[in-house]
Amino acid sequence: AQTVTQSQPEMSVQEAETVTLSCTYDTSESDYYLFWYKQPPSRQMILVIRQEAYKQQNATENRFSVNFQKAAKSFSLKISDSQLGDAAMYFCAYGWGAGSYQLTFGKGTKLSVIP
Amino acid sequence: DSGVTQTPKHLITATGQRVTLRCSPRSGDLSVYWYQQSLDQGLQFLIQYYNGEERAKGNILERFSAQQFPDLHSELNLSSLELGDSALYFCASSLGAAGYNEQFFGPGTRLTVL
Repeated sequence: AQTVTQSQPEMSVQEAETVTLSCTYDTSESDYYLFWYKQPPSRQMILVIRQEAYKQQNATENRFSVNFQKAAKSFSLKISDSQLGDAAMYFCAYGWGAGSYQLTFGKGTKLSVIP
Repeated sequence: DSGVTQTPKHLITATGQRVTLRCSPRSGDLSVYWYQQSLDQGLQFLIQYYNGEERAKGNILERFSAQQFPDLHSELNLSSLELGDSALYFCASSLGAAGYNEQFFGPGTRLTVL
């Protein structure tokens, strides 16, 4: 079974600084997708960034980028120029399935942004 | 706003009761996923429907069932409720069932079992 591990339950970052959230996963598949979701206090799940496993190039979305190391099964999220609105729970997720891409989530990392 | 709607927002009920959670996917989306978020288990996939048919099952209890109707809305039925069923239940929808289709999450239904 696929598992997703986020080893940092909580992290904090100074406003305008950079922070990296870690995620590792376990799978025997070669073709899959990885995601980072943000869950602010409103509880809404918001997709931050997505990475296709067959793509070697790391995905980027504005201030958010990933470091995808397929051999090491590592998928970290880097947030640059942190803003107060970045404070939230961040979940790493793995998606795979023939005709069904249900997501397997990590336990989450609570990010605090210090003004 | 993701375009996915869930009703009700909050639900408080007693042990042993049965409840129905409703989800309307984004316009045009054929696939609906149900997830449970609880303090001890985290976010877990329950079940997926695609165009009215069950496509995949996750850690869904036998007391729980779901269906997707011809208009593509979905309902999650929870019966013989226990205290441990208290959780946030999310519905997500996507255009198709493949990985490149982003899953859009609804605001969730918070279920409290007393």
